[in-house]
Amino acid sequence: EDKVVQSPLSLVVHEGDTVTLNCSYEVTNFRSLLWYKQEKKAPTFLFMLTSSGIEKKSGRLSSILDKKELFSILNITATQTGDSAVYLCAVSTSGGGADGLTFGKGTHLIIQP
Amino acid sequence: NAGVTQTPKFRILKIGQSMTLQCTQDMNHNYMYWYRQDPGMGLKLIYYSVGAGITDKGEVPNGYNVSRSTTEDFPLRLELAAPSQTSVYFCASSTLGQALGFYSNQPQHFGDGTRLSIL
Repeated sequence: EDKVVQSPLSLVVHEGDTVTLNCSYEVTNFRSLLWYKQEKKAPTFLFMLTSSGIEKKSGRLSSILDKKELFSILNITATQTGDSAVYLCAVSTSGGGADGLTFGKGTHLIIQP
Repeated sequence: NAGVTQTPKFRILKIGQSMTLQCTQDMNHNYMYWYRQDPGMGLKLIYYSVGAGITDKGEVPNGYNVSRSTTEDFPLRLELAAPSQTSVYFCASSTLGQALGFYSNQPQHFGDGTRLSIL
């Protein structure tokens, strides 16, 4: 059974801190790993990672994948209260066409002013 | 810029009732998905579709049915609602993209969800 484990499950930090969120996985036929941010409603896409060691960056957020050790990290620097959300890690496995995603439980991040 | 639209946003059902959750997308995506999210949990795949007329089961299909008569619409039906189906339901869509000569699935776009309570 495919499995995605995120840690920590919750995290409270102060504005301006840097946080690192972790995601490990055990799946068959790995295709890609995705990070989503979920506030009140729909998960919104952050990054898709397919190759090891190549950092993806968007503003204060960055992510990297290690396919040998089967994990990924999401870094957020200079955190702001607007970064408060649940961050979801998901893994896509290869199939005949559409790839259903296997999600972790998410990390609930709270940024205190 | 609609993207993926789900209706209704909220619904309360009695045990044994049936209902259809609607999902439509205007991005001409071939692939569509239904997930459910229980409190404190990640999303779990219920059903997915690779195109009109083709559907397949995901991880938790029991108690649900789907159909895909058009590219745009992918409704999810609950025939006999049970308390265990109380959840938030998300519809998503995606498509194939091409980069460096290879085709790969692009990230899924999600609707805002339907919060369903079965009492």
